[in-house]
Amino acid sequence: NAGVTQTPKFRILKIGQSMTLQCAQDMNHNYMYWYRQDPGMGLKLIYYSVGAGITDKGEVPNGYNVSRSTTEDFPLRLELAAPSQTSVYFCASTDRDRGHTGELFFGEGSRLTVL
Amino acid sequence: DAKTTQPPSMDCAEGRAANLPCNHSTISGNEYVYWYRQIHSQGPQYIIHGLKNNETNEMASLIITEDRKSSTLILPHATLRDTAVYYCIVLTGGGNKLTFGTGTQLKVEL
Repeated sequence: NAGVTQTPKFRILKIGQSMTLQCAQDMNHNYMYWYRQDPGMGLKLIYYSVGAGITDKGEVPNGYNVSRSTTEDFPLRLELAAPSQTSVYFCASTDRDRGHTGELFFGEGSRLTVL
Repeated sequence: DAKTTQPPSMDCAEGRAANLPCNHSTISGNEYVYWYRQIHSQGPQYIIHGLKNNETNEMASLIITEDRKSSTLILPHATLRDTAVYYCIVLTGGGNKLTFGTGTQLKVEL
């Protein structure tokens, strides 16, 4: 199993550009999450999903959109990139419904810089 | 939503036990306490979790008070590689909205 895979690992955007951060998991987890982490700060929840077709806002959703058309994929869309979105983005998944521990499995992160 | 409070930083001598406290006074009866750590810019790593009883695994022990309003993560013999930010989190919003606090920066020194 690959676990949680994020692409790209690094990206530089110009102000106003748009892009999608990809996240895929092969563990058949129904819960998926997107976090951002600014330098020297903790993780902030952007969006999360409890299953295909269901998404909900986290703590800092403004400027982002998500979709969950399949169990495996949970892409994060940045529209009109701003310097404030410069951050490291982490995707994570878990599965509590099947009696699993609820342990979050994280991707390696995507480092985004907006200039 | 249950939130957590942790000290911003702690120091520990190598080989000694590191005891990291966490307050979660508004935790609900069916909410679990989870501990993660983050080394440098890597993704957070799961350590341990618990509901009521004390828990132990190969990495650490988790002590939860009887009223469940606080907990302590214990690293029994801290090493330099345990230097990291440690996060205590509880499940919020019906158990789905996993949010992290600011964590404790643990520095293990010689």
